[in-house]
Amino acid sequence: QSVLTQPPSASGTPGQRVTISCSGSRSNIGNNYVYWYQQLPGTAPKLLIYRDNQRPSGVPGRFSGSKSGTSPSLAISGLRSEDEADYYCAAWDDSLSRWVFGGGTKLTVL
Amino acid sequence: QVQLVQSGAEVKKPGASVKVSCKASGYTFTGYYMHWVRQAPGQGLEWMGWINPNSGGTNFAQKFQGRVTMTWDTSISTAYMELSRLRSDDTAVYYCARGGTGYYWLDIDYWGQGTLVTVSS
Repeated sequence: QSVLTQPPSASGTPGQRVTISCSGSRSNIGNNYVYWYQQLPGTAPKLLIYRDNQRPSGVPGRFSGSKSGTSPSLAISGLRSEDEADYYCAAWDDSLSRWVFGGGTKLTVL
Repeated sequence: QVQLVQSGAEVKKPGASVKVSCKASGYTFTGYYMHWVRQAPGQGLEWMGWINPNSGGTNFAQKFQGRVTMTWDTSISTAYMELSRLRSDDTAVYYCARGGTGYYWLDIDYWGQGTLVTVSS
């Protein structure tokens, strides 16, 4: 059981906009930044969004992050076949004194 | 460019220990935290702990306390994670991941390629 809650799956067609939600509590998402990672099949996670809504250099502008209270979300616009991957939200949890992750959302591009 | 290169796959018997290395390059090793995260087959990500190579500080998830040791050698910019008393449910890919620095010490950005540890009798 993950501390952060994500839908197990999401899907969309090429060109569509897809949103992946994440839910936590005050001790993690409420008090700290949220990070999003993309994990392509058989590879290591890659940082997609940091500090709620910042994009590392090299990450396309199609990816954006937002946070309202304890419910952040990741939006992917102009969906492409290469976006098919697992997406994880993460944050530091003040009460548990550890990093916590969502269970991951498997994105399928139909 | 930042790179984290980990040691190769390991097969261990239950009760044994495993030590995974992570060689960093492209940045000042002592300037950033280093995290270890694992992923069991078909499962999500699980944080194990971090080290601060500058201060010598460490912090482990309670689940692993008493079984995990995290060390480093600044002369070769390499971090190590040793897990003892291995069980079958420790079978996973183990990742090192660079943490943050200064005010943003909680960031986790670059990840190693992962090391598969298989625990089987």
